[in-house]
Amino acid sequence: DVQLVESGGGLVQPGGSLRLSCETSGFSFSNYWMSWVRQAPGKGLEWVANVKRDESEKYYVDSVRGRFTISRDNARNTLFLQMDSLRAEDTAVYHCGRYSGSGNYDYWGQGTLVTVSS
Amino acid sequence: QTVVTQEPSFSVSPGGTVTLTCGLSSGSVSTNNYPSWYQQTPGQAPRTLIYNTNSRSSGVPDRFSGSSLGNKAALTITGAQADDESDYYCMLYVGRGIWMFGGGTTLTVL
Repeated sequence: DVQLVESGGGLVQPGGSLRLSCETSGFSFSNYWMSWVRQAPGKGLEWVANVKRDESEKYYVDSVRGRFTISRDNARNTLFLQMDSLRAEDTAVYHCGRYSGSGNYDYWGQGTLVTVSS
Repeated sequence: QTVVTQEPSFSVSPGGTVTLTCGLSSGSVSTNNYPSWYQQTPGQAPRTLIYNTNSRSSGVPDRFSGSSLGNKAALTITGAQADDESDYYCMLYVGRGIWMFGGGTTLTVL
């Protein structure tokens, strides 16, 4: 079975940093683009970032570009999101997702909660 | 600033049919936007329903269908059930590697 399990969330002060992980299993991780999306409390889903199979391409939503870095370790089947200069508006549940092409984000993790507050 | 538009809320009777739409502030939705649809409860993982306009994701009942409707993408639920009451999001590819969700539609079944 395909599984995606996020970790690394928690409470952090504004301006701080956090690194999220998404451990995957049940599929050939290195063959897929991977993604992060988030959902702030009481708000809708927001696409955050994508990374290509070999990390040669990375894309970000404008609101996080320059502060967040998506990366992956294909040997460990793990996706990461390094979040720096965190702001209150980054407070959200962060989900990782697998992208299979043609608009098909077919598997998602349960998410990890990031709270940015003093 | 590109915005993906969805109806904020919709209501359907049990057994009824409802069509939710997904538009683009900058023009028409096309196959190049790879429209996809997700069902989601806050705090839970999104559930992929439809991708590439009208391809049903594995395990999704055939009462969920996707289509193009004029200049928008559409999700139709036929024979609505109580457990279809949820939030529904569309997502579009808007170019230069960027994807964008709509604001979501809260569907009530009553």
